[in-house]
Order: sequence, then structure tokens, then C-alpha cells
Amino acid sequence: DGGITQSPKYLFRKEGQNVTLSCEQNLNHDAMYWYRQDPGQGLRLIYYSQIVNDFQKGDIAEGYSVSREKKESFPLTVTSAQKNPTAFYLCASSATPSNQPQHFGDGTRLSIL
Amino acid sequence: QKEVEQNSGPLSVPEGAIASLNCTYSDRGSQSFFWYRQYSGKSPELIMFIYSNGDKEDGRFTAQLNKASQYVSLLIRDSQPSDSATYLCAVGLYSSASKIIFGSGTRLSIRP
Repeated sequence: DGGITQSPKYLFRKEGQNVTLSCEQNLNHDAMYWYRQDPGQGLRLIYYSQIVNDFQKGDIAEGYSVSREKKESFPLTVTSAQKNPTAFYLCASSATPSNQPQHFGDGTRLSIL
Repeated sequence: QKEVEQNSGPLSVPEGAIASLNCTYSDRGSQSFFWYRQYSGKSPELIMFIYSNGDKEDGRFTAQLNKASQYVSLLIRDSQPSDSATYLCAVGLYSSASKIIFGSGTRLSIRP
């Protein structure tokens, strides 16, 4: 089945630690996105990528990093510089970057130990 | 002013009635509009999208656009308890074709 796979489902971070969230898609989509959702809030864009080896900062990129070495994969690293990382992280993809519907993975819940 | 605004609710609607959800947006040039449903603890699921060329009906769902007043609406006919969820409105920015801005969602509750 085509879709977007995020792993792990739950992740715990210790103080000062970097953690990486995985996002893989087999939809052959060009564009991929990372969002953060806090309780009772909408989605805020962290980073997005329109094509392999290219990505742009979203509205809340500080404390996060990404890479896009393969079309299928767009991992997100939450660095120790992100002081309030506890949130629900959602990866999405769309066929082309141009105002197309975005489809989401199941998300990763990150908490601080 | 937020780029995409929704009433947070909760909106309570009796089973079988029509639920009407609204969303206003600030980017006058926006041409793509999306509605997502999100159950508690789950990721958003796309249920409808329309472009500036017209409204759309799909089963019990109808999405309507009022460009002059800059709002989009989602109507759910014959509301079912399974429709109880948070509905997120999202709008594509004219200034950046790659970005979609999400509202914070309206919580809908269908009472039996």
C-alpha cells in the first residue's frame, strides 16, 4: 500500500540529546513537509522540501535540522537547542509543491525525560 | 490577524442535522483550500479540497468558497457520531506555492 511511514510512534529525549524522527514515503511525491502540533493548536511548519537535495525553513525551524538525500526520505533531527521539544510531529507529502493536497503520516509523539 | 482563523468550538450538532464549519483567510490571492479531519490523538486526514474555480460536493460533504468575503465553509449533511472530531482548515498561500497554512481547528461534537 502507498503511504507515509513515520517512526518511531513514541520517542523520549533526554536533556542535551539530539533525536531523529524518520519519515519515508512510497507515493513518488516530490514535496515533503514537517509540522509540529501542540495540544489544542494547529499545525506549524518546521521545514519543507520541494525536491531532492533542497529544503527550506518553515515558520519554526530553530532547533531543528533536516536532510533530503533521497526522494523517499525526509528525516527530522530535533537538536538540544530546541528547548521545548514536547509535541506531536507530523510528516506530510504532496505530489508537487504547488498548492497540492498534503497527505500525512501517523505522527511521532516526542516527550522529554 | 491570523492567516487562517477558525472558531475553536466545540460546535455541538444533533445527529442527522447539518454541521456547518467556517474558516476565514487573510491572503486575498489564495487559490487552494483544504479541509482535514483529525480524531483525538491521530494525524489529520484530508476530506475535501477545492480551488478558486468552484464549490465541491462529495457524499455528505460540501465545501464552499466565498472569495469576496474570504471564507470557506464545510457542510456535513446527516451528521453521524463518527463525524465528531476536530476539523482543520488549510489555505494555500499565493506568495508561496509550496506552503499551506493551517487554522487551529474547530472541534465538532455530534450528539445522539
